[in-house]
Amino acid sequence: DAMVIQNPRYQVTQFGKPVTLSCSQTLNHNVMYWYQQKSSQAPKLLFHYYDKDFNNEADTPDNFQSRRPNTSFCFLDIRSPGLGDAAMYLCATSRTGANYGYTFGSGTRLTVV
Amino acid sequence: ELKVEQNPLFLSMQEGKNYTIYCNYSTTSDRLYWYRQDPGKSLESLFVLLSNGAVKQEGRLMASLDTKARLSTLHITAAVHDLSATYFCAVHGSSNTGKLIFGQGTTLQVKP
Repeated sequence: DAMVIQNPRYQVTQFGKPVTLSCSQTLNHNVMYWYQQKSSQAPKLLFHYYDKDFNNEADTPDNFQSRRPNTSFCFLDIRSPGLGDAAMYLCATSRTGANYGYTFGSGTRLTVV
Repeated sequence: ELKVEQNPLFLSMQEGKNYTIYCNYSTTSDRLYWYRQDPGKSLESLFVLLSNGAVKQEGRLMASLDTKARLSTLHITAAVHDLSATYFCAVHGSSNTGKLIFGQGTTLQVKP
């Protein structure tokens, strides 16, 4: 089945040690999003790719970066994770030009120790 | 800037009762979504509402949209324990890339 896959489901990283989260999709959607969701909060958009164009939210910390090497894959890089970066990270995809919904991955739970 | 507000933020109810969750948003939008989230899990899509007056129902949940009032409701009929979860509404932003802006979420607790 076409879907959005996030790896790993759970990630433990050390304070200050770079970490990468991955997202892949088989839907051929042209837009990919990364959301951060902290405990008991709503998902917050970090950035998104519209095709190859990268769009950063104004309040996304510089510590967070992203790469999209091709349509199917998108990565979230956290250069120096702090304790405040512990959260669920959700990848989502959508397709412009149609009334399609958004497809969310299963998320990666990041713990910083 | 598009803002989305839900109320109530927490709802505790007995099984068998009815209740409504409200979602207000600040600027015009052509799409509104409702999601369910269980603890530790990702978002599960419930409804997509595309036009004024749209009403969709699935089981004990019914969602409606009033674009003139910028209001959506999620009505729960005869609640059961399995409906306990956090419910988010999200509004599609006006840009071509369609960013989703989420409400704060409503945590529903249904007591047996």
